[in-house]
Amino acid sequence: DAGITQSPRHKVTETGTPVTLRCHQTENHRYMYWYRQDPGHGLRLIHYSYGVKDTDKGEVSDGYSVSRSKTEDFLLTLESATSSQTSVYFCAISERRSEQYFGPGTRLTVT
Amino acid sequence: SQQGEEDPQALSIQEGENATMNCSYKTSINNLQWYRQNSGRGLVHLILIRSNEREKHSGRLRVTLDTSKKSSSLLITASRAADTASYFCATDATSGGSNYKLTFGKGTLLTVNP
Repeated sequence: DAGITQSPRHKVTETGTPVTLRCHQTENHRYMYWYRQDPGHGLRLIHYSYGVKDTDKGEVSDGYSVSRSKTEDFLLTLESATSSQTSVYFCAISERRSEQYFGPGTRLTVT
Repeated sequence: SQQGEEDPQALSIQEGENATMNCSYKTSINNLQWYRQNSGRGLVHLILIRSNEREKHSGRLRVTLDTSKKSSSLLITASRAADTASYFCATDATSGGSNYKLTFGKGTLLTVNP
């Protein structure tokens, strides 16, 4: 398996609180991605990064921000969590314009 | 909106049978990829087919791509219970440069009964 870890793996938080999810890779891959997966919607891209401090929005970026200060870490922040952000979040990495490697996921519940 | 759409949404077969899943997409692509997801796990890359390729094989997997119809199919031959999973197609329709991202479909849930 590609060296990708996500933390935490599970989190329950209250509406209105900030939440940060971390993706860490040991593969030195250029591209990093955050997706959310919801029943009936498949996998949707939130934000992605194509290098340190280089990020761009995905399909469902509202309410989320990201930061990448080091090659190996990509942080996803929910500034003020809402119940609609209850989901499973996946991080993925890619070295070039080809296959992506996925982390194990973080299950987030916003109550 | 989703770029790729898989069909059927769910498929149930017996062990040993072949499973075929289809993916349709809307715009020109650079490549199309198929991924598998076991329950509760992350996605795993299976195969990539480029826009100038028509067919590709990997073990028991066969992928075809018809760019004129904007469609692809994934065939799993001689299925096994361990093939039970969700299968997703993903398309790269980015225009180049630093911009590289995939758009995933909603997936096909394959159940292989022993």
